[in-house]
Amino acid sequence: EPEVTQTPSHQVTQMGQEVILRCVPISNHLYFYWYRQILGQKVEFLVSFYNNEISEKSEIFDDQFSVERPDGSNFTLKIRSTKLEDSAMYFCASSDERGEYNEQFFGPGTRLTVL
Amino acid sequence: AQSVSQHNHHVILSEAASLELGCNYSYGGTVNLFWYVQYPGQHLQLLLKYFSGDPLVKGIKGFEAEFIKSKFSFNLRKPSVQWSDTAEYFCAVNPGSGGYNKLIFGAGTRLAVHP
Repeated sequence: EPEVTQTPSHQVTQMGQEVILRCVPISNHLYFYWYRQILGQKVEFLVSFYNNEISEKSEIFDDQFSVERPDGSNFTLKIRSTKLEDSAMYFCASSDERGEYNEQFFGPGTRLTVL
Repeated sequence: AQSVSQHNHHVILSEAASLELGCNYSYGGTVNLFWYVQYPGQHLQLLLKYFSGDPLVKGIKGFEAEFIKSKFSFNLRKPSVQWSDTAEYFCAVNPGSGGYNKLIFGAGTRLAVHP
């Protein structure tokens, strides 16, 4: 069964460093998302991406964040200068339907630890 | 603001007990509703979804949920839980049509089932 994959599973970085989290969505999917979950808190929407541009972003997704689909398979989330509060589990998701059939498939997550 | 409330943060049951997890959302328009499950060490998986039609939806592993529009609720039920149902359960809402729309998650309910 096709699935969303994410690398790395765990990333440790120093405050102020740039990190890139990678995702490979399901191959025929067109809509891509990033969510994050700070330990003990809700899963929060960060950004959605369709047709090579951002469709929607949350207040969390400030200028320090960017997303890219550099080729036909990868979808990346970049944090330019990490802060302690960026420590969280980051989930990538993808879906293939528009409108009312928006079932999103999630990857296993990348645990980001900022020291 | 759009929000999803899950009333029970931790639930402890014995095997064969019945389960009902509450979920309420605040959004007046058309919504798509989901329950996701996260087993220990695994990623978010879809349990069931409601888009339209019969408000009683059946999902995998014997779970079902009932959409009550007048109460803005989408409660998850299972008549007889098993130890393997131990997991965290998330209610999520997709507020409106559009394949790029975000999911708004509840805080999750951690279910522990004892043999």
